[in-house]
Amino acid sequence: SFDLTQPPSVSVSPGQTAAITCSGDKLGGKYVSWYQQKPGQSPLLVIYQDGQRPSGIPERFSGSNSGNTATLTISGTQPMDEADYYCQAWHSSAVVFGGGTKLTVL
Amino acid sequence: QVQLKESGPGLVKPSQTLSLTCSVSGGSISSGSYFWSWIRQPAGKGLEWIGRIYSSGAIHYSPSLMSRITISADTSKNLFSLNLSSVTAADTAVYYCARGRIADSGSDYWGQGTLVTVSS
Repeated sequence: SFDLTQPPSVSVSPGQTAAITCSGDKLGGKYVSWYQQKPGQSPLLVIYQDGQRPSGIPERFSGSNSGNTATLTISGTQPMDEADYYCQAWHSSAVVFGGGTKLTVL
Repeated sequence: QVQLKESGPGLVKPSQTLSLTCSVSGGSISSGSYFWSWIRQPAGKGLEWIGRIYSSGAIHYSPSLMSRITISADTSKNLFSLNLSSVTAADTAVYYCARGRIADSGSDYWGQGTLVTVSS
């Protein structure tokens, strides 16, 4: 099976840069999407195809993917960015989600 | 604006079949640019992909749930459905439907989610 591994939690101070990683075997050869989920809400797509931002997503969200690791970077993190973040990739026609990372802004 | 809305029983007895429907407005499920997915999330846990259906009729299921899942679409009503058989308490979760974009461009529209509890 194909697994995506994320750190359970990441902490960042307001205004600083947060980096959330997602690791998987040869992940750099696949497209990665990232979702933000706040309590009680549905997931929101913030990055697709490794580094593309959907319309309406702030420029402070960016992504990269190389080797075995994809990274979601949030520059100038704001308190409103506190949420759970999930990476997602396709593997053999199936979709795989990472376990999620809780981003704390404090 | 595309909107998706899940509907179905909030309580299902063990060993029975969970049946949910996702009604889509603001866009056609027959569009070849998208596929339509089911994802679930147990309370306090992460997202789990269940499966998806394309406008072509092609369907992909999660390997771990494949033996119990059926996903279908009704283009005349612009909705798609999920049936999950032989449910147990482990199937208790919030179930989401979502629109996915081809070329692996992520799922850009999600329903609000519906909580399904498996209990006698």
